[in-house]
Amino acid sequence: EPEVTQTPSHQVTQMGQEVILRCVPISNHLYFYWYRQILGQKVEFLVSFYNNEISEKSEIFDDQFSVERPDGSNFTLKIRSTKLEDSAMYFCASSEGTGPYEQYFGPGTRLTVT
Amino acid sequence: DQQVKQNSPSLSVQEGRISILNCDYTNSMFDYFLWYKKYPAEGPTFLISISSIKDKNEDGRFTVFLNKSAKHLSLHIVPSQPGDSAVYFCAAKSGNTPLVFGKGTRLSVIA
Repeated sequence: EPEVTQTPSHQVTQMGQEVILRCVPISNHLYFYWYRQILGQKVEFLVSFYNNEISEKSEIFDDQFSVERPDGSNFTLKIRSTKLEDSAMYFCASSEGTGPYEQYFGPGTRLTVT
Repeated sequence: DQQVKQNSPSLSVQEGRISILNCDYTNSMFDYFLWYKKYPAEGPTFLISISSIKDKNEDGRFTVFLNKSAKHLSLHIVPSQPGDSAVYFCAAKSGNTPLVFGKGTRLSVIA
């Protein structure tokens, strides 16, 4: 069964450093998403991406964040200068369409900023 | 601003009995609702969904009920199995908007 994959599973970085989180969405999906979950809190939407551009982003997704689909398979989230409060689980998701379509999630990357 | 609320942080059920997980929402524009299951150190796994034009959707042991007038949905698992022990998230969306998640309910199925 096709699945969303994410690398690395755990990333430790120092405050102020740049990190890139990688995702390979399900191959026939057209819509891609990043969510995050801070420990003990709910899963929160960051950004959605379609047709090589951002379709929607939340207030969390400020200028420190960027997304890219550098080739036909990868979807990346970059945090330019990490802060302590960026420590969270980051989940990538993809869906065939928008509207009443399920989003399928990857296993997540645990980002720890020290 | 909690648009999707799961008021029970945890639930314990005996194996073989019914598990009922509840979810309330405040945004009347939501038209698609989903349940996800999450094990520790894994991503949310899609379980079942329901469109606002329906009031029930069933898939094997899982049934989701939607009461639009009460802005309430529930997930029924019957019979419950130990492998169902996980955190269950309710999520909702309106048209093309992103998913809005509840805080989750931790289900423990006791053998």
